Parts: sequence; structure tokens; C-alpha cells
Amino acid sequence: DVKVTQSSRYLVKRTGEKVFLECVQDMDHENMFWYRQDPGLGLRLIYFSYDVKMKEKGDIPEGYSVSREKKERFSLILESASTNQTSMYLCASSPALEDNEQFFGPGTRLTVL
Amino acid sequence: GNSVTQMEGPVTLSEEAFLTINCTYTATGYPSLFWYVQYPGEGLQLLLKATKADDKGSNKGFEATYRKETTSFHLEKGSVQVSDSAVYFCALSDRIGSSASKIIFGSGTRLSIRP
Repeated sequence: DVKVTQSSRYLVKRTGEKVFLECVQDMDHENMFWYRQDPGLGLRLIYFSYDVKMKEKGDIPEGYSVSREKKERFSLILESASTNQTSMYLCASSPALEDNEQFFGPGTRLTVL
Repeated sequence: GNSVTQMEGPVTLSEEAFLTINCTYTATGYPSLFWYVQYPGEGLQLLLKATKADDKGSNKGFEATYRKETTSFHLEKGSVQVSDSAVYFCALSDRIGSSASKIIFGSGTRLSIRP
């Protein structure tokens, strides 16, 4: 059974803290993605990666960075967390084929106080 | 740029009612179209997809037809069940390179089914 796992389901951090969200996929997929999900806004793409050590900005990269040192792992980093980064964060992966579906992890609900 | 517009929720229906969730899109070229579903406390999962005009995607009693002339991909189900209560996202693919696509999502429609 294919699987995308995220390191935490719930996380509470304080303003100014550095936050790491980890995502691991076991499907040998080339592409990985980070989204945030907010009510009424749907999913918005933060960053994506189509190969190890490669990264591309999505639609809302400000305040975030990413790291992909291994094919199966894609990390989202909040350098200095702010309250407007309180959200649900979803990781996804897909194979390197055109128009393929993405497979999602269960999400991490981050609260920044 | 490419975009997806879907009907706002929440939508509340009685069990065995007919369901339609409207979705229209704006895109250059011929993207693939998707419906994703998010059950409470879970991540998104693909419900169905269609890759070209007039294709019909179907799964678990849900159907959607890729209508190029009306740029629509409405989701339908003839008889809903309580277990269909979830948030439904319409989406399209958007090429971002030679080997990757990103997916553009609508804002989601929350569906609640009363027993």
C-alpha cells in the first residue's frame, strides 16, 4: 500500500521558533510537494521538488524554505514562525509522468502562538 | 493563469438524495481534471480523474465528465450515503516542466449527509 507519512499530526509552536515539518514517501516518486490548506482558500502550493536537491517556489513561498537531501524525504522549514502560518500543512508526492495524480499525507495541523 | 472554481458549501443532503457539485475551470491547453476527497481527519485522496475532452471519470458511484465546450467537470452521484460526508476538491493539472505537473485546486465543497 502506497504511503506518504508526515512527522506530526498536531504541532504547537511559539512565534519566532524555527519549525521543521518532515514528509517521507515510500513510492520512489520523483516529485514532492508542500501545500497549506486554509478554510475557503483550498490548497495553495508552497514549494515543490522534482529531484533530489532540486526545489522550486510555488505560489506562496514567503516565510518558508525546503530541503530535499534524499529522494524519499522532503522537509518544510519555517525559519521564524509567525501566527499567520497557523494552518494545515499537506505533503504530496507523484511520479515523474505527465498529469499524474498526487498522493497525500494525512497533514500536520500547526498552531503558532 | 489556470484556475478552478467550484460551488461553495456547505452542502447538506438527506441520504439517497442526488448530488451535484459544480466545477468550472480556466486553462490554456488541455489539462487533466480531477476530483479529490478529504474525509474528516485525513489527507486528500483521488476520487476520479479525466484526461481528455468527453472522458468520464467514475469511482464509488461518483461520476464527472470532462466538458471542453463548457469548461466544466461537475461531480454527480445518484444516491448519496452518510459515509460520503467529506470535503470535495475539484482540480486540474498544470505542467511545470518536462517531467512534473502541479495541481491547482478549487476551494473545496463540504458535503454533509443526514441519515
